[in-house]
Amino acid sequence: GAGVSQSPSNKVTEKGKDVELRCDPISGHTALYWYRQRLGQGLEFLIYFQGNSAPDKSGLPSDRFSAERTGESVSTLTIQRTQQEDSAVYLCASSLDRESSGTQYFGPGTRLTVL
Amino acid sequence: GEDVEQSLFLSVREGDSSVINCTYTDSSSTYLYWYKQEPGAGLQLLTYIFSNMDMKQDQRLTVLLNKKDKHLSLRIADTQTGDSAIYFCAESRKNNNDMRFGAGTRLTVKP
Repeated sequence: GAGVSQSPSNKVTEKGKDVELRCDPISGHTALYWYRQRLGQGLEFLIYFQGNSAPDKSGLPSDRFSAERTGESVSTLTIQRTQQEDSAVYLCASSLDRESSGTQYFGPGTRLTVL
Repeated sequence: GEDVEQSLFLSVREGDSSVINCTYTDSSSTYLYWYKQEPGAGLQLLTYIFSNMDMKQDQRLTVLLNKKDKHLSLRIADTQTGDSAIYFCAESRKNNNDMRFGAGTRLTVKP
């Protein structure tokens, strides 16, 4: 497809379980971002990948959160031992490169519900 | 306080102008953005403005920036029902990787 895709679109899990969220960026985009959107709040930056450089993990809220990206392709965000406060929409975005960070293209998000 | 603040709700009648306001705290903000989020869809970049600009116009959209007051606004002329969505204000600083978003303003357009 032409846009950023994410899967699954919805995920319901039990507290304590691990979840893995997937993002497929636009082909050719070297920059990839993960954000979290809690109900009624703005987007919260989690992590940023730029090409093969070391990712910027400064936004990850705890060591239960991790993300990987192989080259300039798919990224996965993993949340271990999920907690109820992890319930949110997780949005992925990509941009051509870091210099065009404003023109980020967002996926539809994964709605995570932790029971 | 929050880095970027917006009012949460705005309701207008079809055909009227909508003005969505945003304030930010960081004077080193270099780029300011407006994103639109429709139900079930990802965020869509509407427009952005560099901090050295006062105004930017793009068809029905007008962005005004008051850098002294750190105030950004988005005006939508001749608002249509299809403009109903959540509008996010965001800012970024030149050497940062992340953007800071407001909580979003839910615009409701009544026929």
